[in-house]
Amino acid sequence: AQSVTQLDSHVSVSEGTPVLLRCNYSSSYSPSLFWYVQHPNKGLQLLLKYTSAATLVKGINGFEAEFKKSETSFHLTKPSAHMSDAAEYFCVVRKGNTPLVFGKGTRLSVIA
Amino acid sequence: SAVISQKPSRDICQRGTSLTIQCQVDSQVTMMFWYRQQPGQSLTLIATANQGSEATYESGFVIDKFPISRPNLTFSTLTVSNMSPEDSSIYLCSVAGLREGYTFGSGTRLTVV
Repeated sequence: AQSVTQLDSHVSVSEGTPVLLRCNYSSSYSPSLFWYVQHPNKGLQLLLKYTSAATLVKGINGFEAEFKKSETSFHLTKPSAHMSDAAEYFCVVRKGNTPLVFGKGTRLSVIA
Repeated sequence: SAVISQKPSRDICQRGTSLTIQCQVDSQVTMMFWYRQQPGQSLTLIATANQGSEATYESGFVIDKFPISRPNLTFSTLTVSNMSPEDSSIYLCSVAGLREGYTFGSGTRLTVV
């Protein structure tokens, strides 16, 4: 069965510094991987997705993630954090048409 | 991508009562999914709602507590039955898109008192 592990429950960065949110996956086959963001009291928004095309995936709001099969990782990065990036981030895996499996989430805090 | 209308957006309910949550999709979709997000937690899949057949429930969730209807390819309901304070959560429906990933409803924030 597929699963994801988000290695940090909380990450705090200063505004303007890089963001790194770590995610490792476990899957028997080539998975589809996603990052979703949830702002306080808002719905879930898809940031980006990997579906076996290019290993470096660019998403919205300057975020990107790199699929590394050798490391079974799909870390989310952004060169420069904005205050508006403060939110909960979920790494998500799917195989075929099965439902999404969510990681436990990483809360990103951005300090002015 | 599909657009989902989920309602109610929030409700406060008395323990022992039931609440039915509705999701309407603007296009026909084969599979719909229901998730629960307990306070401060991630999303957990409750069940997959298939049109024309019974829903498929995940471990720890049962039909008597969370009955689901899927009368057609654009609509589904989830009922939270005989509620207790432990059922206080956000409940979300979701559909699978062909290329865009999955779309989520805006969620129903349930508080049981």
